[in-house]
Amino acid sequence: DAGVIQSPRHEVTEMGQEVTLRCKPISGHDYLFWYRQTMMRGLELLIYFNNNVPIDDSGMPEDRFSAKMPNASFSTLKIQPSEPRDSAVYFCASSLSLAYEQFFGPGTRLTVL
Amino acid sequence: DQQVKQNSPSLSVQEGRISILNCDYTNSMFDYFLWYKKYPAEGPTFLISISSIKDKNEDGRFTVFLNKSAKHLSLHIVPSQPGDSAVYFCAGVIQGAQKLVFGQGTRLTINP
Repeated sequence: DAGVIQSPRHEVTEMGQEVTLRCKPISGHDYLFWYRQTMMRGLELLIYFNNNVPIDDSGMPEDRFSAKMPNASFSTLKIQPSEPRDSAVYFCASSLSLAYEQFFGPGTRLTVL
Repeated sequence: DQQVKQNSPSLSVQEGRISILNCDYTNSMFDYFLWYKKYPAEGPTFLISISSIKDKNEDGRFTVFLNKSAKHLSLHIVPSQPGDSAVYFCAGVIQGAQKLVFGQGTRLTINP
C-alpha cells in the first residue's frame, strides 16, 4: 500500500485566496483525520470522519475552514479566504478505528503571504 | 480546555540513559492511550499504545505506564539512542464520546 497520500506537499498563496488540500487515505481504513501543526499549538485535531461522515469538527478554527469526504478514498480541507495565520503544516491520517494506530501522510506545508 | 497535557515542552537525555516522557489527562473517561513520534518534515508515526484496563505495556526499548488514579501516563525509553531524538505526542481516546485528544508534544533530544 502507498500509505496516506497528500497533495500538494507545499502550497504558497496570498491572503484572501482559496486553498484546497487533498488526502487519499489507506484503502480499508474507516477513519480519516485532519490535523494542523504549528509552533505555538503543536498538533491539533481539526476534524475526523468515520465512514465518510464527519464525527467531530470541534477543532475546526472557524467558518473559513471546511472539510469534505465525498467517498472512502478522498477528502479535502478547504480554507476560504486564507489568512497568514493559517500558515502551518496540515496532516491527514487514517486508521481502522479511533483506538488503532493512525497512519499519517507526509503533510502539506501551507504558507499564506 | 486541554484534556491531555504534556507539561514538558523539551527534554534532554544522555545517550544510553533512560528517557521518561510524561502525560497527564483530566477526563477519567479516557479508555485508550497512544504515543506517536515525529521527526522533522515527516508525519507522526505510531509508537506504542495502552488500554485503560492495563497499567503497563512494553515493546522493546519502549514501555508505557498508566496510573489511572493519578490520571498520568509515562513513556520510558531505555536505553536512549540518538535516533530517538524527535517530538513525542501522547493521545487519549474517549470511546463512548468518539473523542480523540492529543497533547502538545515533548521534544526529546538524545545527546551523544
